[in-house]
Amino acid sequence: AQKVTQAQTEISVVEKEDVTLDCVYETRDTTYYLFWYKQPPSGELVFLIRRNSFDEQNEISGRYSWNFQKSTSSFNFTITASQVVDSAVYFCALSGEGSNYKLTFGKGTLLTVNP
Amino acid sequence: DGGITQSPKYLFRKEGQNVTLSCEQNLNHDAMYWYRQDPGQGLRLIYYSQIVNDFQKGDIAEGYSVSREKKESFPLTVTSAQKNPTAFYLCASSIDWTGGILALHFGNGTRLTVT
Repeated sequence: AQKVTQAQTEISVVEKEDVTLDCVYETRDTTYYLFWYKQPPSGELVFLIRRNSFDEQNEISGRYSWNFQKSTSSFNFTITASQVVDSAVYFCALSGEGSNYKLTFGKGTLLTVNP
Repeated sequence: DGGITQSPKYLFRKEGQNVTLSCEQNLNHDAMYWYRQDPGQGLRLIYYSQIVNDFQKGDIAEGYSVSREKKESFPLTVTSAQKNPTAFYLCASSIDWTGGILALHFGNGTRLTVT
């Protein structure tokens, strides 16, 4: 069985602060994929990034960066110089060959960026 | 613009009534999914369909039913057998079965309240 843990239920920061959202996963699969999705107040989830288990390179996209570490089974997400528009619920998700690539979501982290 | 349309955005029903949530996509995607989201919880998979006229139960299918008669449509019926139907329901689609590998596209959701 696979599992995703987002220990931070809610985080509140002031605009321009950096913030890291934690994601720890459990899986027995050798081949698996990790995702981050953003859910703004409008409700729909928006895909942010995907990482496969064979690619541990960190990735940066503008103010967003992701740190994938297989040694600690973590896939953390950092927002640099946060903005009010970053306020949303962020979900980490995992899929693997053992689950026929069905997604398992964490419970999400509500990020509030205050002006 | 291509996307997923869920209607209505808010739905109110009396206990004991069946209710059908609509999901339409014009992305020409083969696979479609229904997820349930409860406050402070991750997304849980109700049903999914990888191709027209075929669908499979997800992790919490009891009390729900679906049909997939057309590629673009995947309605979800919440039956009176669902013990706790009040929730936020999200429909998603992917190009094919690789939604757990590539990415899912989500609709804006329907918030169902049963009293």
